[in-house]
Amino acid sequence: GQQVMQIPQYQHVQEGEDFTTYCNSSTTLSNIQWYKQRPGGHPVFLIQLVKSGEVKKQKRLTFQFGEAKKNSSLHITATQTTDVGTYFCAGSNSGYALNFGKGTSLLVTP
Amino acid sequence: GAVVSQHPSRVICKSGTSVKIECRSLDFQATTMFWYRQFPKQSLMLMATSNEGSKATYEQGVEKDKFLINHASLTLSTLTVTSAHPEDSSFYICSATSALVPEKETQYFGPGTRLLVL
Repeated sequence: GQQVMQIPQYQHVQEGEDFTTYCNSSTTLSNIQWYKQRPGGHPVFLIQLVKSGEVKKQKRLTFQFGEAKKNSSLHITATQTTDVGTYFCAGSNSGYALNFGKGTSLLVTP
Repeated sequence: GAVVSQHPSRVICKSGTSVKIECRSLDFQATTMFWYRQFPKQSLMLMATSNEGSKATYEQGVEKDKFLINHASLTLSTLTVTSAHPEDSSFYICSATSALVPEKETQYFGPGTRLLVL
């Protein structure tokens, strides 16, 4: 079955440094979604990428979907302490069911 | 945005009892609801997918007789953990999606239910 791999598992940065998490799927995806989960909270939808090679930006966050629709990345520029949390990618083939990556836990120290 | 609620938010029960968790879509009709389980510091694992009015589809390894799912209406799905044991202690999260909105494949997550079985 489809597997979604995400790296790194953990990332510790100083405030102001950049951060990137990468997601790879074993199969071609129809779309990929990104979620953020704060400690003790539930996943919150960030964005969905559908098109091959798509790039979307949300303020300091840049999301990319690979040309082959099998990989994706989330890049945060100039991290802030409010960026702390676990970032999950989740891929879908069809039928809406999502396969979540294991997540990347980001810790930002002032 | 779409709002999904879950009740209860936290439950502690004795081993052998059954626990029912409700998931409601408050401002949209959820044609499909998903149930996930998340152990500490791990990812979300899909347990089952339910469509309103039909039987849930369970993922491999999830016992359908232990985790009873009912999706009786377009705004409510319930998960019942029957004869709960300590190993069932986890964070249970539901999500909902709707084929009736443009963002068909976006899942909106509930706040989760923390279950502790003693």
